[in-house]
Amino acid sequence: ETGVTQTPRHLVMGMTNKKSLKCEQHLGHNAMYWYKQSAKKPLELMFVYNFKEQTENNSVPSRFSPECPNSSHLFLHLHTLQPEDSALYLCASSQETQGVEEQYFGPGTRLTVT
Amino acid sequence: AQSVTQPDIHITVSEGASLELRCNYSYGATPYLFWYVQSPGQGLQLLLKYFSGDTLVQGIKGFEAEFKRSQSSFNLRKPSVHWSDAAEYFCAVATGNQGGKLIFGQGTELSVKP
Repeated sequence: ETGVTQTPRHLVMGMTNKKSLKCEQHLGHNAMYWYKQSAKKPLELMFVYNFKEQTENNSVPSRFSPECPNSSHLFLHLHTLQPEDSALYLCASSQETQGVEEQYFGPGTRLTVT
Repeated sequence: AQSVTQPDIHITVSEGASLELRCNYSYGATPYLFWYVQSPGQGLQLLLKYFSGDTLVQGIKGFEAEFKRSQSSFNLRKPSVHWSDAAEYFCAVATGNQGGKLIFGQGTELSVKP
């Protein structure tokens, strides 16, 4: 496996379900990100983890709960979602140093909430 | 606050024709600038980036972009488009004082006519 992988690639869930999205990076990076991509809207940054510590929570509703057990894995736990949460959820990683480095993206999980 | 504007939501060009995708940013100092491409069902792939130095940067797949401070622009160009270039293109900016946080434009969808 290379780069950034995400599972599952597609997920359909009801509003009362609990599910989790998984992201794994094989690049040795120390920062990981969750983005939400809705149709016709810019990518929205949801969470940032640096060295496993959450450094950004972009006013995301509590029905989204991130978890970063180590620098290679990132989860997004989902519960009692709303139909408007249907979107493509992208994970990314980067090697943060003193400045800015490019982010490497996974293929995304297409989430549909029914 | 920083922002990125991609004025063109959708562009159609003929195969073999030249391409220019526009990107304007709002930020007081010199930003870090990126262009990403997203093929259907895929994550984002970095095409090129500008951090400093030569204002004309070369990227992968024959793309280039020019940073123009006076116009706050970072337009993406390709001299001859191929059918495989059909995708969505995103411009992004980072400011260097917010870690790896990227601000994305809304994206430009490129269609290529045979």
